[in-house]
Amino acid sequence: GAVVSQHPSRVICKSGTSVKIECRSLDFQATTMFWYRQFPKQSLMLMATSNEGSKATYEQGVEKDKFLINHASLTLSTLTVTSAHPEDSSFYICSARGRGLQPQHFGDGTRLSIL
Amino acid sequence: AQKITQTQPGMFVQEKEAVTLDCTYDTSDQSYGLFWYKQPSSGEMIFLIYQGSYDEQNATEGRYSLNFQKARKSANLVISASQLGDSAMYFCAMREPTSYDKVIFGPGTSLSVIP
Repeated sequence: GAVVSQHPSRVICKSGTSVKIECRSLDFQATTMFWYRQFPKQSLMLMATSNEGSKATYEQGVEKDKFLINHASLTLSTLTVTSAHPEDSSFYICSARGRGLQPQHFGDGTRLSIL
Repeated sequence: AQKITQTQPGMFVQEKEAVTLDCTYDTSDQSYGLFWYKQPSSGEMIFLIYQGSYDEQNATEGRYSLNFQKARKSANLVISASQLGDSAMYFCAMREPTSYDKVIFGPGTSLSVIP
């Protein structure tokens, strides 16, 4: 089946550091990728939707300058958390979808801990 | 406004019994898709089943079936013959073509299977 690879799986870093998370579709062309954030025991909250070659569409309340999303190719999207602070600590998970009515496929997530 | 409602924060079921997880949704679109995902404690999102709004028959995938009642805007997940490995969080989700085709998630139901 379709596979989405997300890297790294876990990051621990100091406050003020910028962190980049990669999301790759391994065996299909992902025309659309989604980035979610999940706090413990809560649901997935959509942060932004990105289409290959165009700017990401951010959900209300998500800071564009804080969470930089790049979708440069049909197989790769990146999320950069700039100048991360402890309140940015969370589980970040990406998903990717091809054309048509295909379901989206998820990466395994990244646990980000900012000290 | 909450678009996906899952009224059961936690559920228990005896091993080998069937269980129904509730999901109701709100949309003004005629065309939409409904999904169920499973999230074990390890965090990955596992796609279980999909129902299109125009599908006349309820979707089934192995032990999973979706009880789709369009007029009531409900899409309940039925798991038959529960197994210990079914213990996880279960999320109902909806895809709206008019909203950048994004998928939004309900708050989730925690299912515990008792031996």
